[in-house]
Amino acid sequence: EVQLVQSGAEVKKPGESLKISCKGSGYSFTSYWIGWVRQMPGKGLEWMGIIYPGDSDTRYSPSFQGQVTISADKSISTANLQWSSLKASDTATYYCVTSQGVTTPTLKWGQGTLVTVSS
Amino acid sequence: DIVMTQSPDSLAVSLGERATINCKSSQSVLFNSKNQNYLAWYQQKPGQPPKLLIYWASTRESGVPDRFSGSGSGTDFTLTISSLQAEDVAVYYCQQYYTTVRTFGQGTKVEIK
Repeated sequence: EVQLVQSGAEVKKPGESLKISCKGSGYSFTSYWIGWVRQMPGKGLEWMGIIYPGDSDTRYSPSFQGQVTISADKSISTANLQWSSLKASDTATYYCVTSQGVTTPTLKWGQGTLVTVSS
Repeated sequence: DIVMTQSPDSLAVSLGERATINCKSSQSVLFNSKNQNYLAWYQQKPGQPPKLLIYWASTRESGVPDRFSGSGSGTDFTLTISSLQAEDVAVYYCQQYYTTVRTFGQGTKVEIK
């Protein structure tokens, strides 16, 4: 069974750095794409970007390019989303998702990671 | 980016009645050579990740009740709940995966009247 397990909730201060993770299991991690989705409190879903762990090909949404870094460590079947300097507006739940192709249906969602940025 | 616009933003439907949600894309998401519409529908309940209901615009995901159906092609799509049940109260999103930036609609909140 395809599973995506995300790291736990985080509470950070503005200006701090952060990396959250998403571990895939039950499938060939290097053969499927992993994407990230943001959901701010009480708001809708926003597509952030997607990575192919097999060769680290990464595509960002223009809205998130330069704001976050998406990476993958295929040795531990884990994708990451990181910030170098958090802002209060980064407060949101972040979901990882997986699909077979860069333009194919989403197969599975992670459970979500709540990131709270507050002074 | 392709802009996805849902209507209405919210609707209240009596139990057992039909609920209809529309989704319009700013450009076609029909891949002509495959005759496939790159459009999915999700259901999200509070505190949970979205759940895939429909993909390729009209293919129901395994385990999804047959009261949920998707239709449409090109730029105009519809999600229909044929007989609303209490457990269907949720926010519903459409999403295109025609481009690598997979944009979502703003969501439609479905409630019981």
